[in-house]
Amino acid sequence: QVQLVQSGAEVKKPGASVKVSCKASGYSFIDYGITWVRQAPGQGLEWMGWISNFSGKTNYGQKFQGRATMTTDKYTSTAYMELKNLTSDDAAVYYCARFGVIPPREDYWGQGTLVAVSS
Amino acid sequence: QTVVTQEPSLTVSPGGTVTLTCASSTGAVTSGYFPNWFQQKPGQAPRALIYSTSNRHSWTPARFSGSLLGGKAALTLSGVQAEDEAEYYCLLSYGGARVFGGGTKLTVL
Repeated sequence: QVQLVQSGAEVKKPGASVKVSCKASGYSFIDYGITWVRQAPGQGLEWMGWISNFSGKTNYGQKFQGRATMTTDKYTSTAYMELKNLTSDDAAVYYCARFGVIPPREDYWGQGTLVAVSS
Repeated sequence: QTVVTQEPSLTVSPGGTVTLTCASSTGAVTSGYFPNWFQQKPGQAPRALIYSTSNRHSWTPARFSGSLLGGKAALTLSGVQAEDEAEYYCLLSYGGARVFGGGTKLTVL
């Protein structure tokens, strides 16, 4: 069965970076991409971007360009999302989801990773 | 800045029918925006319901249907059950980028 298992909760100081992992299993990793989505407390879902696990090509939301870096490791079927220069506005639950490109769809989701930002 | 707009909240009676909509600030939503719909309950990850306007995932109950309605993407729930009370999000594609709507809180009362 398809599973996406994310890394555990993180507490970071303002200005620091966080790197969240998403380990996939149960399907051919390179046949799909990974989308990253975040959700601030009490707020809606926010699309951050996606990465092709085949080519490593990325597409970032405008808000995250230059500050988020999405990478993928085909050999361990793991995707990563690093966010730099954290502020309190980055405190959120971060989700990864399997992304089928044609047609575009996020079907299976990780359990989410809570990132807290506090001095 | 593209904005995707959903009704903030809707209320439906058990067994009833309700339609949620998803509008784009760029104009009419067409199939080329590949509308997706997700359900999220408190403390849980989102669950995919519909992709590419009207296609159900294998786990999506038949009472959920997607369509285009009056220039918007729409999600219709027929025969609503108590367990359908949740937040619902649409997601539209704009070339390589994607944008979520603000979500609709559906109350079953």
